[in-house]
Amino acid sequence: NAGVTQTPKFQVLKTGQSMTLQCAQDMNHNSMYWYRQDPGMGLRLIYYSASEGTTDKGEVPNGYNVSRLNKREFSLRLESAAPSQTSVYFCASSYLKGLWQGTYEQYFGPGTRLTVT
Amino acid sequence: ELKVEQNPLFLSMQEGKNYTIYCNYSTTSDRLYWYRQDPGKSLESLFVLLSNGAVKQEGRLMASLDTKARLSTLHITAAVHDLSATYFCAVVQYNNNDMRFGAGTRLTVKP
Repeated sequence: NAGVTQTPKFQVLKTGQSMTLQCAQDMNHNSMYWYRQDPGMGLRLIYYSASEGTTDKGEVPNGYNVSRLNKREFSLRLESAAPSQTSVYFCASSYLKGLWQGTYEQYFGPGTRLTVT
Repeated sequence: ELKVEQNPLFLSMQEGKNYTIYCNYSTTSDRLYWYRQDPGKSLESLFVLLSNGAVKQEGRLMASLDTKARLSTLHITAAVHDLSATYFCAVVQYNNNDMRFGAGTRLTVKP
């Protein structure tokens, strides 16, 4: 099992450009999440998908859109990148439909380091 | 709004010493997670604490949860260099999927 995979690993964008970060998991997990991590801070939830076909906003959703393409894949799109979106982006997945239910923790991907100039 | 505070943010320890990292949170929850992150790497799950009084131990690390005090602790016993990393606690808001992270404790264990 590859676990949670993310592409690309690194990306540099100019202000105003758009891009999509890809995430896939092969653990048959129901829920998937996108976080951003800024220097000296913990992770902040951008969007999550409790199950295929549903998405919900997290703590910092502005400037982002998501698509839960199928059970395996959850993408994050920046329509018009801004320097404030320079960050490391982590995708995660968990088995149960939502973190509140049960014991299952999240499994994280390796991260995408995004720089917006 | 759920807020999660960790302290200390930076911790430099000698090998063989004991220390405790504290995680306070502001609203009702009984789902608390501890993660480890090595520089430039992803997060690794250490512990999931699900109820008041829960205690879990793995090697030199022990985590506990007091939901009445809204406090979790991560205790390090006889630290070794391999424990050097950043440790995060994260809390799931009651009946919600919103996980909030603390700012992290950067632990350095010196010989």
